[in-house]
Amino acid sequence: ETGVTQTPRHLVMGMTNKKSLKCEQHLGHNAMYWYKQSAKKPLELMFVYNFKEQTENNSVPSRFSPECPNSSHLFLHLHTLQPEDSALYLCASSRETSGSYNEQFFGPGTRLTVL
Amino acid sequence: KQEVTQIPAALSVPEGENLVLNCSFTDSAIYNLQWFRQDPGKGLTSLLLIQSSQREQTSGRLNASLDKSSGRSTLYIAASQPGDSATYLCASKAAGNKLTFGGGTRVLVKP
Repeated sequence: ETGVTQTPRHLVMGMTNKKSLKCEQHLGHNAMYWYKQSAKKPLELMFVYNFKEQTENNSVPSRFSPECPNSSHLFLHLHTLQPEDSALYLCASSRETSGSYNEQFFGPGTRLTVL
Repeated sequence: KQEVTQIPAALSVPEGENLVLNCSFTDSAIYNLQWFRQDPGKGLTSLLLIQSSQREQTSGRLNASLDKSSGRSTLYIAASQPGDSATYLCASKAAGNKLTFGGGTRVLVKP
């Protein structure tokens, strides 16, 4: 138990659906992250939020829309996805983004399948 | 652009043998390097974080070293056990305050 929870754990959706992934951290951290882990590819950073402000968008397609209403919650809104978007989506948090000691703690992930 | 490489991609050892996992990175101007463990279909568990000013970190049977000049980090797991079977990932934090991950080394410890 890392203190970072994600829901749902599994999601199957069609290409025309709209769904949202949720992440919540109970660690008092100020930075939150979305990562994508596809089969046979390294983990890729998608978005970074620091003190509720988006500080990084790693050239992510607009069909992925993040939302960070407060430092404890992070959402990833999904619409008109493609089958190649099927992956494990991981959320992480850290005290903040700067500095040499900012250990990131990860949630269990949401396994997304796009049909 | 930082690139992180982990070789080999997979490793199989008999129980009790020491494990040596390698991680190399191209940009030596890192803030820290973090080692993670990932079980199949699960999230990442942080094992050790080495700050740029440190040479190594230890936690129980785990020891991680960092050599920035050569762009390398090594994770040692002493006296491996079947429960150590997992994928081990390293990630460096460099410019831009983001982690860049290696592809991971999948470890199997045979009883």
